Amino acid sequence: KNQVEQSPQSLIILEGKNCTLQCNYTVSPFSNLRWYKQDTGRGPVSLTIMTFSENTKSNGRYTATLDADTKQSSLHITASQLSDSASYICVVRDTGTASKLTFGTGTRLQVTL
Amino acid sequence: DGGITQSPKYLFRKEGQNVTLSCEQNLNHDAMYWYRQDPGQGLRLIYYSQIVNDFQKGDIAEGYSVSREKKESFPLTVTSAQKNPTAFYLCASSMFEGTGNQPQHFGDGTRLSIL
Repeated sequence: KNQVEQSPQSLIILEGKNCTLQCNYTVSPFSNLRWYKQDTGRGPVSLTIMTFSENTKSNGRYTATLDADTKQSSLHITASQLSDSASYICVVRDTGTASKLTFGTGTRLQVTL
Repeated sequence: DGGITQSPKYLFRKEGQNVTLSCEQNLNHDAMYWYRQDPGQGLRLIYYSQIVNDFQKGDIAEGYSVSREKKESFPLTVTSAQKNPTAFYLCASSMFEGTGNQPQHFGDGTRLSIL
């Protein structure tokens, strides 16, 4: 069964600090991995999409890494801001004929003063 | 601005009642999706459509129905057969292309509750 596991479940950091969120997956065969940001009460917004051949991808202060051999990804947030407070969801797509997305349960990040 | 509009933002259902959630997109996307989000769980796919007048069941289609009469619209009906409908419902759309590397764009959801 395809699974995506994220850690930690929740995280509190001070504004200006960096943090790293983790994602492990068992989805096979692998197509791509996505990170989304979801503000409370809103829909998810895409941050990055990485394919098998991509190790690192950045979007402003967000940097995602992918290790397809160990089936792990991380999302690093640099110089956090209050507006980074949200849930961050890791999503993996397979390449089957009925290819679909497997969603993690998310990491809830709170950035405080 | 291009985007996905879901309405209403909040919806209440009485016992035995069918309710319909609206989803409209002006992104000219071919594919549209409906997801259900429950606390502590990942998003689960209800139905998806890759082209007008065609749609497929997702993982949790029982108690739901959809239609795709126009490219821009993909309404979801929660029927009385869905015994646990309380959830946050998200509609999404994407370009339909062979690699599957296009992101899904989401609306801001409809929160459905039981009266």
